[in-house]
Amino acid sequence: NAGVMQNPRHLVRRRGQEARLRCSPMKGHSHVYWYRQLPEEGLKFMVYLQKENIIDESGMPKERFSAEFPKEGPSILRIQQVVRGDSAAYFCASSPRTDSSYEQYFGPGTRLTVT
Amino acid sequence: DQQVKQNSPSLSVQEGRISILNCDYTNSMFDYFLWYKKYPAEGPTFLISISSIKDKNEDGRFTVFLNKSAKHLSLHIVPSQPGDSAVYFCAASQKYSGAGSYQLTFGKGTKLSVIP
Repeated sequence: NAGVMQNPRHLVRRRGQEARLRCSPMKGHSHVYWYRQLPEEGLKFMVYLQKENIIDESGMPKERFSAEFPKEGPSILRIQQVVRGDSAAYFCASSPRTDSSYEQYFGPGTRLTVT
Repeated sequence: DQQVKQNSPSLSVQEGRISILNCDYTNSMFDYFLWYKKYPAEGPTFLISISSIKDKNEDGRFTVFLNKSAKHLSLHIVPSQPGDSAVYFCAASQKYSGAGSYQLTFGKGTKLSVIP
């Protein structure tokens, strides 16, 4: 059973460009979470999605950031007009979200560097 | 406003001894707690969890203790092995949070070094 897949693993963008990060959840998982980790910090929640629905985006910056989880294909986190402060590791997690399972399983992350 | 705190940035332990990692939280609405282990350049790996209705959960060498009145939990690793060297994150979840998202709130992590 393959784990959570994220690509690319490393992404370099110049200021003002767009960054697109992809996440494929574990097989059988229909719930996807995105987290961001700044250097020397813990992971911070950004957004929670189910297929075709954004359930909770309370951790998402109001501008330039968007996320989707289409019916077919991976979940996408999009950052428009990137700035240096967007440089971080972005982790995706998936969960089966049954009544007995709250655990979230994380992918390897995408390390975004904005130059 | 940090709702989950890991006050020790680092911890060194001799191989074979017990490692104790601590975590405090401030939000009394948290009802599920998890520990993750993270190696550099990898994603966090789930280790063990505990519901607020319990005060202890054990899985092999790993035991998590929860003291709700003190809003404190700890992870015990016995015996510690060099492969346990990693950053350990404490995380908490609120069963009903906004739309019931179960988002995790993480501490900043404790770097454990197990010395052979």
